[in-house]
Amino acid sequence: GNSVTQMEGPVTLSEEAFLTINCTYTATGYPSLFWYVQYPGEGLQLLLKATKADDKGSNKGFEATYRKETTSFHLEKGSVQVSDSAVYFCALRKAGNTGKLIFGQGTTLQVKP
Amino acid sequence: EAQVTQNPRYLITVTGKKLTVTCSQNMNHEYMSWYRQDPGLGLRQIYYSMNVEVTDKGDVPEGYKVSRKEKRNFPLILESPSPNQTSLYFCASSTVAREKLFFGSGTQLSVL
Repeated sequence: GNSVTQMEGPVTLSEEAFLTINCTYTATGYPSLFWYVQYPGEGLQLLLKATKADDKGSNKGFEATYRKETTSFHLEKGSVQVSDSAVYFCALRKAGNTGKLIFGQGTTLQVKP
Repeated sequence: EAQVTQNPRYLITVTGKKLTVTCSQNMNHEYMSWYRQDPGLGLRQIYYSMNVEVTDKGDVPEGYKVSRKEKRNFPLILESPSPNQTSLYFCASSTVAREKLFFGSGTQLSVL
């Protein structure tokens, strides 16, 4: 079946460090891929997405590239800030209107000043 | 302002006492869904609805009910709550394409 696997957290970084959160998926066909972010005490919000192979999603300095050959969608940011501390969820949705959204287990990021 | 509103934010109850968590959206979205979030398990879908009067089970529907009588509202009903339903619950909505889900702020439920 379809699934999403993220690296285990928490990930602890100093401010201005480079961030990578790994995400790999298992799916047939060509799913759409997403990163959602959950700030403390809030609901999830869409951070970025990519709908086909080699697409790069980007937002707020974060980037992720849809890699079909490695079935990956790793999240990166060149210089993290304390305000980036949150839980990050990778997700996929199979093509078509009946495609279900499947979330990974989430990775907690803590950025220290 | 576009938003998904859940109530209550926190709820403590006892085993067997029926409860309802309300969810309302003001974006005229067709799709609505309920998730529960548990440590180490991420988000798991409970029920979803593609439109008024159309609901379907997600991955963990046991012990829950939903209804979709109006487009904007999608309440989650626990007829007889049990301690294993202690969790953080989120309601979400989107257009049918589901390219972007809008989430409520969550309901932290504790069943004693």
